[in-house]
Amino acid sequence: NAGVTQTPKFRVLKTGQSMTLLCAQDMNHEYMYWYRQDPGMGLRLIHYSVGEGTTAKGEVPDGYNVSRLKKQNFLLGLESAAPSQTSVYFCASSYSPVRGFFTDTQYFGPGTRLTVL
Amino acid sequence: AQSVTQPDIHITVSEGASLELRCNYSYGATPYLFWYVQSPGQGLQLLLKYFSGDTLVQGIKGFEAEFKRSQSSFNLRKPSVHWSDAAEYFCAVGEGTNFGNEKLTFGTGTRLTIIP
Repeated sequence: NAGVTQTPKFRVLKTGQSMTLLCAQDMNHEYMYWYRQDPGMGLRLIHYSVGEGTTAKGEVPDGYNVSRLKKQNFLLGLESAAPSQTSVYFCASSYSPVRGFFTDTQYFGPGTRLTVL
Repeated sequence: AQSVTQPDIHITVSEGASLELRCNYSYGATPYLFWYVQSPGQGLQLLLKYFSGDTLVQGIKGFEAEFKRSQSSFNLRKPSVHWSDAAEYFCAVGEGTNFGNEKLTFGTGTRLTIIP
């Protein structure tokens, strides 16, 4: 059981370039999430998915797109990277909600450190 | 809007000493409260959570937290810290009762250093 994995671990982009971050989970979880972590700001939710084929906006969705074509994968895309998107990105997953998507334990991946020059 | 305050950015504790990390929240209704730990270069791991019931919650790794509604606090405690407890700790609060409109808000974190 690998849990939640993220690729790549590190990436450096130039302004305007595009890239896709991949998150995979092998726990058969329904819910998946993308967060960004910035110094002094904690974690902020970018987008989330409540099941295969569904996505929804979180707190800071601008500049990002996501897709959940397969239950086990959740992709985060940056179409035109900006320096403000320099951050550490975390993916998480949880099984199913009891009373809301956050009430079940979220399992986090190790993160992707992205630098945009 | 809900918010979480962790007033201590950095705390240093001697190994074997007791620990208390502070967390204050702002939320109108009964909150869902969490503590997460992040070791260097790792993702977050849930230590414990409070939804309802007993206000003293036990978690993993010997941690506990107490929900105090009158003080809007959810402080994390451990009676005797180990060097392996050095990490960053995040408090979080969840809100929302309408499915699909929920939100989990994280505090800015407290970095814990353990000295011999």
